[in-house]
Order: sequence, then structure tokens, then C-alpha cells
Amino acid sequence: QQPVQSPQAVILREGEDAVINCSSSKALYSVHWYRQKHGEAPVFLMILLKGGEQKGHEKISASFNEKKQQSSLYLTASQLSYSGTYFCGTEIDSGNTPLVFGKGTRLSVIA
Amino acid sequence: AAGVIQSPRHLIKEKRETATLKCYPIPRHDTVYWYQQGPGQDPQFLISFYEKMQSDKGSIPDRFSAQQFSDYHSELNMSSLELGDSALYFCASSAWTSAYTDTQYFGPGTRLTVL
Repeated sequence: QQPVQSPQAVILREGEDAVINCSSSKALYSVHWYRQKHGEAPVFLMILLKGGEQKGHEKISASFNEKKQQSSLYLTASQLSYSGTYFCGTEIDSGNTPLVFGKGTRLSVIA
Repeated sequence: AAGVIQSPRHLIKEKRETATLKCYPIPRHDTVYWYQQGPGQDPQFLISFYEKMQSDKGSIPDRFSAQQFSDYHSELNMSSLELGDSALYFCASSAWTSAYTDTQYFGPGTRLTVL
């Protein structure tokens, strides 16, 4: 039941946009997005709940398509600080449960 | 703002030794999760506690045990350490809500190296 993230890795130049997808074969209750830099803790970005919604956080936004059981993370006008590995963590049955993480998407932003 | 505190930050042990990792959640958070992350891998859930009771159990080896104390801090006890236990161990805390789901805030992690 591990969600599938795509792409596995992406390289961007500063100012370019990227989309990271997270898909599940099971019906999702929520999707949590985190960014992790090497050797550091995952940093929370946003939560999306079933019911299909979009959320924004500065130039980073996300959507949740309940029909497809897929969440997408949108990074616009990327900055060097966006580099890191992005993980989606999913809950299936209800909230306040352990997260099942995808394998991550490694994003590198270059000048 | 106060964050999750973990100690120690780094730990080096020999095979078959024991280790204790500590986690101090964000004030007023009543739920603690432990995750293990191997090199280049995603975090894997080990065990969680809500109001000092074990709430969920994941892929935690029988050699490991954990508990949450009255002040809500948690300790992960690891015995008979193996080389494969070398990893980053994260603690995350959240405040349980009946409304939906709450954010899990991760601590800085403890890097365990087993030699």
C-alpha cells in the first residue's frame, strides 16, 4: 500500500516549474507533503484531505484528486532552496494515524 | 516556536549492545510516532503512542521496545543491535484531533551507527 511517487528525480534551473505526483491503489483519507534535505528532518509543507482540495504555500501548491487517488505537488518559479527530496505520506482509513511514505522525489535546482 | 527534541543526535554502538533514544514532543502534543529511515530510503513507521498508550505498531523488531511517559516524552529502547539497525531515527509529534488529522512535526533525528 506504499504510494507511488513520480518522477523519481528531476533537475530544474532556477525559475522553472515542476510537478510531483503521488498515487495510491487504495482510497486515501489524506496526503501529507514533506521536503527533506540530506541528513535533516522532513519539513512539513501541507496536508490535503479527501474530498478533493487544493492548498497553497507561497509558490508551492498541491491538489488532491479523490477519483484518481492522486495528489500533485506544484512548485512554481523554483528557487535554490527548493532542492531536496519530497515525500508524500498517506493515511488510508482515518486521520491521526501513522503515515505511509512514498519513495520520494529528489529535486535539484541549479543556478 | 518550540519543536520536537531528540537526544542524542548521534550514537555509535557496537553489535549486540543496547541503545536508548529519547523524544520530547512539542508542548501540548499528546501523540508520538517513531520512524526509521535508512540511507536513501523513505521513513518507515515503527510505533506510536497516544496519551501514553501504544496506538499503532509498524515494522518494529521484537528487539525494540518503546513507551511514552507521564510527561509525554517517549523512549525507544533497542537491544541486541545489528549492523542493519544503522539508520536515522525520527520522532514526530502531533496533537490528536477528532475533526480531521493533524500535522506530524518531525524532530531532528538520531543518527545511529552500529559497528
